[in-house]
Amino acid sequence: NAGVTQTPKFRILKIGQSMTLQCTQDMNHNYMYWYRQDPGMGLKLIYYSVGAGITDKGEVPNGYNVSRSTTEDFPLRLELAAPSQTSVYFCASSPGLAGVGAYEQYFGPGTRLTVT
Amino acid sequence: AQSVTQLGSHVSVSEGALVLLRCNYSSSVPPYLFWYVQYPNQGLQLLLKYTSAATLVKGINGFEAEFKKSETSFHLTKPSAHMSDAAEYFCAVSEASYDKVIFGPGTSLSVIP
Repeated sequence: NAGVTQTPKFRILKIGQSMTLQCTQDMNHNYMYWYRQDPGMGLKLIYYSVGAGITDKGEVPNGYNVSRSTTEDFPLRLELAAPSQTSVYFCASSPGLAGVGAYEQYFGPGTRLTVT
Repeated sequence: AQSVTQLGSHVSVSEGALVLLRCNYSSSVPPYLFWYVQYPNQGLQLLLKYTSAATLVKGINGFEAEFKKSETSFHLTKPSAHMSDAAEYFCAVSEASYDKVIFGPGTSLSVIP
């Protein structure tokens, strides 16, 4: 199993540009998440999904959009990039079923995004 | 509402010394508690978790944590630090809800030779 994979690893965007951060998991997990990590701030939840076709906002959703057309993929879209979106973005997944391990999250390696 | 505080954004220990990373939480119901580790330029990896079974939880790489309800704490310890333990450590809490895991701000651990 590859686990959770993210592309690209690094990206530099100009203000106002758009891009999609890709996330794929091969563990057949129901739940998927997008976080951003800023220095000294821990992780903030952007969006999450409890299954294909279902998404919901997290703590900091403004400026982002998501979709979940399959169990495996959960892309994050930035429409009009702003300097405040400079961050490291992590995708994660979890089984989302009752029982041991249900609440564990498995993280991808992250995408380092700079907006200038 | 859930919240997590980690005392000390940076902790330095000598190689072979005790590691103690502090985590306190607030929760209105019995929580699930986690410690994750993040090595440089990598994603987070689960170290250990508390899910209402034994209060002393053993994890990977010799780490353990004790759930103390009266103190609302879940401190992480390791008897003897190794150079490879240098990383960022995050405490997290969930109120038995798959979609609401709250992460603390993290503690950066340095190990001095």
